[in-house]
Amino acid sequence: GENVEQHPSTLSVQEGDSAVIKCTYSDSASNYFPWYKQELGKRPQLIIDIRSNVGEKKDQRIAVTLNKTAKHFSLHITETQPEDSAVYFCAESTGGGNKLTFGTGTQLKVEL
Amino acid sequence: DADVTQTPRNRITKTGKRIMLECSQTKGHDRMYWYRQDPGLGLRLIYYSFDVKDINKGEISDGYSVSRQAQAKFSLSLESAIPNQTALYFCATGTGGNQPQHFGDGTRLSIL
Repeated sequence: GENVEQHPSTLSVQEGDSAVIKCTYSDSASNYFPWYKQELGKRPQLIIDIRSNVGEKKDQRIAVTLNKTAKHFSLHITETQPEDSAVYFCAESTGGGNKLTFGTGTQLKVEL
Repeated sequence: DADVTQTPRNRITKTGKRIMLECSQTKGHDRMYWYRQDPGLGLRLIYYSFDVKDINKGEISDGYSVSRQAQAKFSLSLESAIPNQTALYFCATGTGGNQPQHFGDGTRLSIL
């Protein structure tokens, strides 16, 4: 069935270090992979997404890489800042692109 | 996005009561979704709708029903609430076709 495994569930880094979150998906037909950031008490918000016709996408300090053969994709945050502290969710498009299946989330804490 | 609005924002009620959560949007999107968020479980899809005449079950639809009253409105009902339905509920909209979804601010529901 449709399933997205996300690791780690919690991640603590020092300010200025890099953070990497990994997701593995099961639906080989999936071709869209968004990442959402959810700050405490707030709604999930899209921070970056990637489609299967590219292997990497960058937006300032955030990048996403996709390996379709291995069916995994990763979020990379460089030069982390305290405001990066949040829960991050990966997702894959499923049901022929009609819906998203989410990972279980990663609690990122950036320590001063 | 203030243009996906959920009401109420918080609700405390008792076991056995009927509850309706409402979602309205001004984004002009055809597709609307209801998710449930529990700690450690991520976002799980309850129901989704592609237009007024189209309703689809998600992975955890038991105990819930929905109504798509108009393109801009999608409500979620709990006919007889039970304590394990205590959770944070999010409405989202989208255009499908491997495009991002946009979330409301959520409804925190507690069932005693």
